[in-house]
Amino acid sequence: AQSVTQPDIHITVSEGASLELRCNYSYGATPYLFWYVQSPGQGLQLLLKYFSGDTLVQGIKGFEAEFKRSQSSFNLRKPSVHWSDAAEYFCAVASNYGGATNKLIFGTGTLLAVQP
Amino acid sequence: DAGVIQSPRHEVTEMGQEVTLRCKPISGHNSLFWYRQTMMRGLELLIYFNNNVPIDDSGMPEDRFSAKMPNASFSTLKIQPSEPRDSAVYFCASSDDRGGETQYFGPGTRLLVL
Repeated sequence: AQSVTQPDIHITVSEGASLELRCNYSYGATPYLFWYVQSPGQGLQLLLKYFSGDTLVQGIKGFEAEFKRSQSSFNLRKPSVHWSDAAEYFCAVASNYGGATNKLIFGTGTLLAVQP
Repeated sequence: DAGVIQSPRHEVTEMGQEVTLRCKPISGHNSLFWYRQTMMRGLELLIYFNNNVPIDDSGMPEDRFSAKMPNASFSTLKIQPSEPRDSAVYFCASSDDRGGETQYFGPGTRLLVL
């Protein structure tokens, strides 16, 4: 069965420091992978997605993620964190129903705190 | 585009009462998803509609929960009777099969059952 693991429940970084959030997936075929961000009291916003092609994908707000098939990973990175990046981050893999529409399997999330 | 619209944003009710959550998907999207988010269980898919037809309701917790999608622009999630353990944030999301993989989420309804 498909699954997503985010091993870090909580991470604290200093403003201006680099960031890497880990995500590992389990999926038999080529996965569709996503990173979403959830600010307090808000819904989920798509940061970036990987379907195929270039394994390094760029997203909004200066985020990027790299798909590594050999490691079953899709880690999210940002070179310099801003205080407004404090939020919860969810990795997800799409499980195909057999058609065009997919069921998202979410990880448990990583809560990011940013120190001034 | 207004995005996915959910109402109400907050709901406080007493145990045993009926609760109805509403969702308007993004215009043109033909798939709609209801999720529940709790501290204990994280984000769970409750039910998914495609072209107004329920496709997968395996995540619906029990018979107290029901969902409908009478047309392409409206869906409801009903809990009757509500229980304190139903307290959670309920999200609606929609997607377009033609680009089908990306789901767009609404702001959620925060439900508290006393």
